[in-house]
Amino acid sequence: AQSVTQPDIHITVSEGASLELRCNYSYGATPYLFWYVQSPGQGLQLLLKYFSGDTLVQGIKGFEAEFKRSQSSFNLRKPSVHWSDAAEYFCAVGAQNDYKLSFGAGTTVTVRA
Amino acid sequence: DVKVTQSSRYLVKRTGEKVFLECVQDMDHENMFWYRQDPGLGLRLIYFSYDVKMKEKGDIPEGYSVSREKKERFSLILESASTNQTSMYLCATYRGLAGQSSYNEQFFGPGTRLTVL
Repeated sequence: AQSVTQPDIHITVSEGASLELRCNYSYGATPYLFWYVQSPGQGLQLLLKYFSGDTLVQGIKGFEAEFKRSQSSFNLRKPSVHWSDAAEYFCAVGAQNDYKLSFGAGTTVTVRA
Repeated sequence: DVKVTQSSRYLVKRTGEKVFLECVQDMDHENMFWYRQDPGLGLRLIYFSYDVKMKEKGDIPEGYSVSREKKERFSLILESASTNQTSMYLCATYRGLAGQSSYNEQFFGPGTRLTVL
């Protein structure tokens, strides 16, 4: 079964600074990888996903993520954070033969002015 | 756009009460999920339904049941609510054939924050 670890529970970043959120997965085959964002009081929204091909994936809201098979990682990045990026971010892993997703514990991002 | 709505944003119930959480989607998706979200634990799957009247247990089904009488509606039932079921409950839906891969995006409702006193 697949699993996900998000090592950082909480990150504080200044507005305009860069942001990187870490995600490590465990799965024997090629995983399907996702990043979701949950703004306060909202459900989860898909930022981006990776299935195959180019290991650098572009998403919505200026986010990107890079799949590194050798490190079993799928880290999320944004070059310049806006106050509206304050939210909780979830990494998730799925498999080709399974409908289930395994979610990480989440990383809460606080943006300071 | 897919719209997933949940019947209540906030709910307060007493221990032992029977609780119904309802989820409705408007995009004719076959598959619907109920998750529970707790701090430090992320999302955990309670139940999954891939068709009307069809369901599968997720990772934490104990204390819960579900009902799917119509394609667009998926209900989560707490037969006898307990304080350890105080949590945020999220409904999600995705398009695809039952049992197939998680390729497609899941669409989430806004959640119901349930407090059991």
